[in-house]
Amino acid sequence: EIVLTQSPGTLSLSPGERATLSCRASQSVSSSYLAWYQQTPGQAPRLLIFGASSRATGIPDRFSGSGSGTDFTLTISRLEPEDFAVYYCQHYDGSLGTFGQGTKVEIK
Amino acid sequence: EVQLVESGGGLVQPGGSLRLSCAASGFTFSSYWMHWVRQVPGKGLVWVSRINRDGSSTTYADSVKGRFTISRDNAKKTLYLQMNSLRVDDTAAYFCARELFLSGQYGVDAWGQGTTVTVSS
Repeated sequence: EIVLTQSPGTLSLSPGERATLSCRASQSVSSSYLAWYQQTPGQAPRLLIFGASSRATGIPDRFSGSGSGTDFTLTISRLEPEDFAVYYCQHYDGSLGTFGQGTKVEIK
Repeated sequence: EVQLVESGGGLVQPGGSLRLSCAASGFTFSSYWMHWVRQVPGKGLVWVSRINRDGSSTTYADSVKGRFTISRDNAKKTLYLQMNSLRVDDTAAYFCARELFLSGQYGVDAWGQGTTVTVSS
């Protein structure tokens, strides 16, 4: 079973700063099946990135995804106030879906 | 507008059963694979189950396998999750979600607002 480990657990940054979030898989995974989500309190998750690097519809270009194999990254180039939230990576291997434990991006 | 509306949550005793429903609108329901994902308040997302377009193929997390059954009625545009032998640790908000599979790339691009299941005596 693939385990996704996200780091850091919490990222304390100021608006306008760059955020770099990591998602590491316990074994090599297909980047086609790696996605990133954003969740704000009381809301359902929102798809940001699919296929490791493709932005979902309506997602601003300050969000970007990269990586392959076991290491994947979500980058937010300049944090806007609405970007302070929890971010999850997810992988689906055709049989099981797995989420990382999440990274909280909080206002410093 | 794509909408997914869950219902059927509530309070149930350990060992009991519950059936969740998810009504879909705004898209061709029968063309999409669908998922259930759950979340304990204040905790992370946990994938539960997935079903293919015609309901002939299903997969489950180990934690629910043999107890939960995902199904769908494409004529009614509704996704279901039958939950049996419920345990206290099944307590969570349950989200139904639509899978995006575009050009060979995966994501879950539409989510309901969730329905809450509480398992307690």
